[in-house]
Amino acid sequence: AQSVSQHNHHVILSEAASLELGCNYSYGGTVNLFWYVQYPGQHLQLLLKYFSGDPLVKGIKGFEAEFIKSKFSFNLRKPSVQWSDTAEYFCAVVNNDMRFGAGTRLTVKP
Amino acid sequence: GAGVSQTPSNKVTEKGKYVELRCDPISGHTALYWYRQSLGQGPEFLIYFQGTGAADDSGLPNDRFFAVRPEGSVSTLKIQRTERGDSAVYLCASSSDRRETQYFGPGTRLLVL
Repeated sequence: AQSVSQHNHHVILSEAASLELGCNYSYGGTVNLFWYVQYPGQHLQLLLKYFSGDPLVKGIKGFEAEFIKSKFSFNLRKPSVQWSDTAEYFCAVVNNDMRFGAGTRLTVKP
Repeated sequence: GAGVSQTPSNKVTEKGKYVELRCDPISGHTALYWYRQSLGQGPEFLIYFQGTGAADDSGLPNDRFFAVRPEGSVSTLKIQRTERGDSAVYLCASSSDRRETQYFGPGTRLLVL
């Protein structure tokens, strides 16, 4: 079955630590890839997206993600997290429909 | 500019009752989606509209769930004979095209007692 997997359920980091959140998908063919973020009490917002071209995409607030086709992965990274990055992060894949991973809760300790 | 809006923001109902949830998409977006998000889970696809028609309703869990978009703009998700298991946040999103970025509303938190 087609699915989107996020490996980490809850990640706790201190400020200035580096972040990498995993995302793998099982779809074949052409896909569009997204990372969405949901800050406490707010709605889902787009962080970054990949449609084609350079597999390293940069998003808002210093986030980036790398699409590795051979690994069916689209991991999210940030070199130095801030307390304000505390949120839930969702990976999403569009093949015919958009499917979301279960999400990773990030807690950044000040 | 105006984003996606959803009303009500919260809805409490009793088991067996009928509820309607409304979504007002971004103006000009032809694609509209409904999702359901349970605690600790990612959004789960319910139904997709392209214009006025439901292009994909494969995510609707059963025939108690129905959605309409009669004029190709506002959409209403209708749930009949609600059950406690229907309690969740119902999210609406819209986009300019099916494969493009979806913009989400704040959701309606439904609680079935």
